[in-house]
Amino acid sequence: AQKVTQAQTEISVVEKEDVTLDCVYETRDTTYYLFWYKQPPSGELVFLIRRNSFDEQNEISGRYSWNFQKSTSSFNFTITASQVVDSAVYFCALSPPETGGFKTIFGAGTRLFVKA
Amino acid sequence: GAVVSQHPSWVICKSGTSVKIECRSLDFQATTMFWYRQFPKQSLMLMATSNEGSKATYEQGVEKDKFLINHASLTLSTLTVTSAHPEDSSFYICSGLSSYNEQFFGPGTRLTVL
Repeated sequence: AQKVTQAQTEISVVEKEDVTLDCVYETRDTTYYLFWYKQPPSGELVFLIRRNSFDEQNEISGRYSWNFQKSTSSFNFTITASQVVDSAVYFCALSPPETGGFKTIFGAGTRLFVKA
Repeated sequence: GAVVSQHPSWVICKSGTSVKIECRSLDFQATTMFWYRQFPKQSLMLMATSNEGSKATYEQGVEKDKFLINHASLTLSTLTVTSAHPEDSSFYICSGLSSYNEQFFGPGTRLTVL
């Protein structure tokens, strides 16, 4: 069975602090995709990153960075020097390759509050 | 990235009425579209997978007679909530799958049933 666990329900930080959002996944597939999405109060999902299971390289995009550790089935997301605009719910997701298309499985989400 | 639109963005209806939500892929063809439901402060739950020209595949626990899905073209899928009740109030999100197997999400439709 596939499963995505985001153990942190809510995190509150002060602006400029670094924050790491944890994501642990379970799958029996050898090939899969991992995602992070941001959902601001407006509700629209904002795609942040997609990572192929064969690519364990960490990625940095501006203040965002991702640490993919296949050995621990984790795909953690770090925001450096957080800003108030980063306040949102962040979802980690797993997409197992299946015949006929992908079915994305979402974690429960982590609500991030960044205070000024 | 590709764009998926949903209409309406929000709707309020009376209990017992039916509501139709449209999901359109604006700049790509989506053979497959997905419908998700998100209750307040909860995650997205897949309701059904919609394939153009064929019947939708519903996830366990989702009533296919209540949530009618029609994927009539490569750019349009509709979700009709029939005989809506207050417990159907939720945020409904669709997504389209591109030919490169990338999933693009719509902005969501907030349904409130009084």
